[in-house]
Amino acid sequence: QKEVEQNSGPLSVPEGAIASLNCTYSDRGSQSFFWYRQYSGKSPELIMFIYSNGDKEDGRFTAQLNKASQYVSLLIRDSQPSDSATYLCAVKDSNYQLIWGAGTKLIIKP
Amino acid sequence: GAVVSQHPSWVICKSGTSVKIECRSLDFQATTMFWYRQFPKQSLMLMATSNEGSKATYEQGVEKDKFLINHASLTLSTLTVTSAHPEDSSFYICSAKGQPHFGPGTRLTVT
Repeated sequence: QKEVEQNSGPLSVPEGAIASLNCTYSDRGSQSFFWYRQYSGKSPELIMFIYSNGDKEDGRFTAQLNKASQYVSLLIRDSQPSDSATYLCAVKDSNYQLIWGAGTKLIIKP
Repeated sequence: GAVVSQHPSWVICKSGTSVKIECRSLDFQATTMFWYRQFPKQSLMLMATSNEGSKATYEQGVEKDKFLINHASLTLSTLTVTSAHPEDSSFYICSAKGQPHFGPGTRLTVT
C-alpha cells in the first residue's frame, strides 16, 4: 500500500526560528510533491509544490526533495505565530493519485 | 483563477435525513472533481471521483448508495449524504482535477 508518512507532532518552534517539516513516501515512482497548510476548521491551502530534486524557495518557505531517499521537507524561516497550523504533505504517485500524509501540527511560540 | 466554491459552508441535520453539498468551478470547466472527507484531527481521505456525464468512482469502503454523486454539468458536482447518521459528521471538501486548490469545505453535523 502506498503511503505518505509525517510526524503528527505537535512540533513547537520559537518565533523567529526555522521550522522543519518532514515527509517520506513509499512509491518510488512518485512525480509531484505538495505542501499544504490547514488552519483548524478550514480547507487546506497550497503552499508549494516541487517536482525536481533539490530545493525550491518561495519567500520564507523552502521545499526540499530527495527522490533517492524518498523524502520531501518544508522549511519555514523566520517562523511567525500565524504559521501555526497543520501542514499536510501530498504526493502524486505513479498512478497520478494524490496520496495524503496525516499532517504535522506546528506551533510557533511567541 | 481556478476557484472552486462549495455550498453550504456548514449544515446541521437530523439523523435519517439527507443533505446535499454542492461543489462548483467558478471560472473553469471541471470534467472531473474529487470529494474528500476529513474527520477531526485526521488527514484528508478521498471518497470518490466525480466524472461529468458518467458514474462516479468510489474508493474502497465508501458506500455509493449512501453518498450519491451527481456531476451533471461541467461546473457542478453534488454530493448527497443519504440517511445521515452522527458518524457521517465530518468536513467534506472538493477539488477539481488538475487544480491544486480545494473548495472551502462543508462542515456537516448530524444530530
